[in-house]
Amino acid sequence: DTAVSQTPKYLVTQMGNDKSIKCEQNLGHDTMYWYKQDSKKFLKIMFSYNNKELIINETVPNRFSPKSPDKAHLNLHINSLELGDSAVYFCASSQATPGLGYTFGSGTRLTVV
Amino acid sequence: AQSVTQLDSHVSVSEGTPVLLRCNYSSSYSPSLFWYVQHPNKGLQLLLKYTSAATLVKGINGFEAEFKKSETSFHLTKPSAHMSDAAEYFCVVSSWEEGGGNKLTFGTGTQLKVEL
Repeated sequence: DTAVSQTPKYLVTQMGNDKSIKCEQNLGHDTMYWYKQDSKKFLKIMFSYNNKELIINETVPNRFSPKSPDKAHLNLHINSLELGDSAVYFCASSQATPGLGYTFGSGTRLTVV
Repeated sequence: AQSVTQLDSHVSVSEGTPVLLRCNYSSSYSPSLFWYVQHPNKGLQLLLKYTSAATLVKGINGFEAEFKKSETSFHLTKPSAHMSDAAEYFCVVSSWEEGGGNKLTFGTGTQLKVEL
């Protein structure tokens, strides 16, 4: 199936731990994104990579570090997890063409306890 | 900066009656606008998009939206609601970022409830 797939689907961890979320797309898209959806369902962009190059970096704590080994993968590593990091994280991809929407992954629900 | 405002946080309709979800946008140029739907504990699915072609846009599952520049609106409608339409709906505007990315800015969402 052509899609954006992210793993894991659920992640429960303790404060202070370091965790990673992986994302892969097989759509041949040039650009990949990470979005955070908070408890009120508000979605906000965190990062965007175009062909492995960082192009959007919103005001996100340094504890969050995206890594793109190739244009089909964009992973999110989070250091020293805090309670406020609990959210659903969505990966997405699109072609690098103005006006296009995204294809989203199914999300990773991160719970920090 | 571009933005969208969803005028209703909750909308409740009876099955078989029309649906109207309201969205106003703010943009310094002709925007690209989208509606996405999120079913409970699911990902985001594209319903429809407007990119300066026809002002009346048809999407999946019988939804459509009309772009009205004079009113800066992009309201989502459906003639007859179905129980399966119950979900969170997001109005979204796209802006092009230098370096090659489409930045999507989401509205705060409208939760649609469909009652028997």
